[in-house]
Amino acid sequence: DARVTQTPRHKVTEMGQEVTMRCQPILGHNTVFWYRQTMMQGLELLAYFRNRAPLDDSGMPKDRFSAEMPDATLATLKIQPSEPRDSAVYFCASGLVNGGTGFRTDTQYFGPGTRLTVL
Amino acid sequence: AQSVTQLDSHVSVSEGTPVLLRCNYSSSYSPSLFWYVQHPNKGLQLLLKYTSAATLVKGINGFEAEFKKSETSFHLTKPSAHMSDAAEYFCVVSLNYGQNFVFGPGTRLSVLP
Repeated sequence: DARVTQTPRHKVTEMGQEVTMRCQPILGHNTVFWYRQTMMQGLELLAYFRNRAPLDDSGMPKDRFSAEMPDATLATLKIQPSEPRDSAVYFCASGLVNGGTGFRTDTQYFGPGTRLTVL
Repeated sequence: AQSVTQLDSHVSVSEGTPVLLRCNYSSSYSPSLFWYVQHPNKGLQLLLKYTSAATLVKGINGFEAEFKKSETSFHLTKPSAHMSDAAEYFCVVSLNYGQNFVFGPGTRLSVLP
């Protein structure tokens, strides 16, 4: 049963510290999304990758957040320095997008999330 | 630009009674539409999706949704609620083969014994 995995599941850190969250997309998927979920804002799209290239990171605070895909099996989201307002659950999702004339697959499959608390 | 409206932030039903969670969307093009469910402290799980095939879509756990273009709606229904259905439900619209994925604000479903 293929799943998106995320590590760590929980992270408590102090303001100013660097936080790195990792995501392993489903093998063979070519799109990766990072979302942030809070009670106040709901689900927000932070960044979107296709074939490891960032296509949209307009939802991400550029001064402290960065997202990368070092290879097809790993996506990272880094916050440096972290602030209390970054406390949230961060979800990674992966999908397979075929924009050609073939089968249209645009479902996103979500990981279990990383619950981040910044004190 | 597309958007999603979920008309009820909270729905409460008794176990064994029907469930109706409402979703309306706006989109300039033919979208894909999804329902996801999120149980407490869990990730989001796909319930069902519509991608321009049959307008009545059947999903997991007895849920189904009907796409009505004239009403721009994609309401989620289930004939008989179960206690395990208590969760948050998100309606999602997607364009451009998943590049633009817009979530509704969510509807919290409570199931009373």
